[in-house]
Amino acid sequence: SSELTQDPAVSVALGQTVRITCQGDSLRNYYASWYQQKPGQAPVLVIYGQNSRPSGIPDRFSGSRSGNTASLTITGAQAEDEADYYCDSGNHLVVFGGGTKLTVL
Amino acid sequence: QVQLQQWGAGLLKPSETLSLTCAVYGGSFSGYYWSWIRQPPGKGLQWIGEVNHRGITNYNPSLMSRFTISLDTSKNQFSLKLNSVTAADTAVYYCARINSGGRFGDYYYYIDVWGKGTTVTVSS
Repeated sequence: SSELTQDPAVSVALGQTVRITCQGDSLRNYYASWYQQKPGQAPVLVIYGQNSRPSGIPDRFSGSRSGNTASLTITGAQAEDEADYYCDSGNHLVVFGGGTKLTVL
Repeated sequence: QVQLQQWGAGLLKPSETLSLTCAVYGGSFSGYYWSWIRQPPGKGLQWIGEVNHRGITNYNPSLMSRFTISLDTSKNQFSLKLNSVTAADTAVYYCARINSGGRFGDYYYYIDVWGKGTTVTVSS
């Protein structure tokens, strides 16, 4: 199956660590990428490849993979991290997860 | 720093044709896939399809090939067309660049550049 499953919503206390997951069979063969989207804005790439961050993305964002599950971890979440987060299949025939709304309390 | 600038009609009537264009500034067409993605109001991202610098296209099979993506390398532009739009095609449409990394047998792909998005509303 090419589908990717994400939890619809996750919350984290300010300064704590949160993990957002993405599950799908294709992730056994490809590294998911992760995108942050704030209201009214285009998505922004935050993690790609095995665990790479584009220039300008804080190092509190990290990525990992285990079996068919990719994870985005935010260590020490900040108020500005509140956003929707999407994973993709890591393949150029792109499949997106349904998105996770992160609330920072 | 590569930038994508997109434009096209934002308000359409049912059965009209959606036409969007995306210009690539500050970088080469070669070596990348150039993609269109849409996001219906309040919903998630949906990949529409892509074209590479040779003009080879791939589309989301769930969209039943309703879309046509083309490129004009002389102008560093690529385009999206959709005939006979309906209200279900109302969405923000993004153009984007798909980059790649890794090594043979262990490639990965990621969308590293996005346009600002064009809101397309289909309403009678």
